[in-house]
Amino acid sequence: ILNVEQSPQSLHVQEGDSTNFTCSFPSSNFYALHWYRWETAKSPEALFVMTLNGDEKKKGRISATLNTKEGYSYLYIKGSQPEDSATYLCAFELDSSYKLIFGSGTRLLVRP
Amino acid sequence: DAGVIQSPRHEVTEMGQEVTLRCKPISGHDYLFWYRQTMMRGLELLIYFNNNVPIDDSGMPEDRFSAKMPNASFSTLKIQPSEPRDSAVYFCASSLLGQRGEQYFGPGTRLTVT
Repeated sequence: ILNVEQSPQSLHVQEGDSTNFTCSFPSSNFYALHWYRWETAKSPEALFVMTLNGDEKKKGRISATLNTKEGYSYLYIKGSQPEDSATYLCAFELDSSYKLIFGSGTRLLVRP
Repeated sequence: DAGVIQSPRHEVTEMGQEVTLRCKPISGHDYLFWYRQTMMRGLELLIYFNNNVPIDDSGMPEDRFSAKMPNASFSTLKIQPSEPRDSAVYFCASSLLGQRGEQYFGPGTRLTVT
């Protein structure tokens, strides 16, 4: 059974704080690691897809890194804002299959 | 583009009834995915299509579930007969070969089976 673990489950931070969370995934049969942002009452939206060990991606204040050898990815948010409040999902893509196995997500709440 | 369109947005039905969920992918997208979201299991892939052909249906829970994609702009997920444990939010997503990772999700259908 392929398991994708995310931690922490939830996180409450103050506006302006920087934060990060972790996604752990199997290091075998790896093709890509995806990050999605899911706001309440909306649909998941793609943030990043990373395929190579050492990849780093950035979009505004949000960035992500990838370590395929040890099977983890970090998502960083610099200077959190209330609008960053959402659930952040990572998904492991198996063997170039387009099949995504999602983690259970990290729920972020940013207090003004 | 209107994005991925799903209907209905909410469905309440009685156990044993047939339920049909509908999805219209983004025009030009050649991959279509059906997911189910539950508290216990999170977001799970049920089945996906490429160019209207089912590629992997290993996530379909049992024979009561079936999915079709008769053309590039329409797909259905059918549950017959429905059971209370099928209650969940069902998402459809589409993507384009060459834009790996950019799966565009629809608003979901919240299904309640009583």
